[in-house]
Amino acid sequence: GAGVSQSPSNKVTEKGKDVELRCDPISGHTALYWYRQSLGQGLEFLIYFQGNSAPDKSGLPSDRFSAERTGGSVSTLTIQRTQQEDSAVYLCASSLGSGGSGYTFGSGTRLTVV
Amino acid sequence: QQQVKQSPQSLIVQKGGISIINCAYENTAFDYFPWYQQFPGKGPALLIAIRPDVSEKKEGRFTISFNKSAKQFSLHIMDSQPGDSATYFCAASRLYSSASKIIFGSGTRLSIRP
Repeated sequence: GAGVSQSPSNKVTEKGKDVELRCDPISGHTALYWYRQSLGQGLEFLIYFQGNSAPDKSGLPSDRFSAERTGGSVSTLTIQRTQQEDSAVYLCASSLGSGGSGYTFGSGTRLTVV
Repeated sequence: QQQVKQSPQSLIVQKGGISIINCAYENTAFDYFPWYQQFPGKGPALLIAIRPDVSEKKEGRFTISFNKSAKQFSLHIMDSQPGDSATYFCAASRLYSSASKIIFGSGTRLSIRP
């Protein structure tokens, strides 16, 4: 596609429920990143996929968070047993190569846990 | 560990004035320093970037000044306009590392008064 697409754009869920957030990267981009942006805060790195390499999961805040990338394209970020502190905007970015250049971000999924 | 420190957290500038945002980094292995601009409800978008082999890069009204010895860099917005009102993030990465992702600063909310 022309840009990075994220769905849903907004998600309200009850505490304790599981949620899945989807990211469709730009076609041909081998690198895919998830970041979290809490209200008025910076961008917190969560996880990074690069081609067929093992993902860099070093930013995942707890074992309730997981992500997968199927076929080197679409990625799903799953949060199990959501907590109120999980409320944030979850941003996905993709790039043609690694190293941090040429990131294109999606518009994010705003997650609210009530 | 906060690898990229950004200041100020918020900034108000009169139309036509100069907006200055400062960042400092710790990891001397970083060799790519982008700035991202984010409007409400949108993902961050690349604004301008610099490599450490130059001390300044200018694109239109936007200039990055880079001080390698001090491990500091800054964004200057000349003739600031109301349309520049946004959140700005400095960032750093290792451009040619296959395992590298962008580390972002905490962001600066810029408001330009008409």
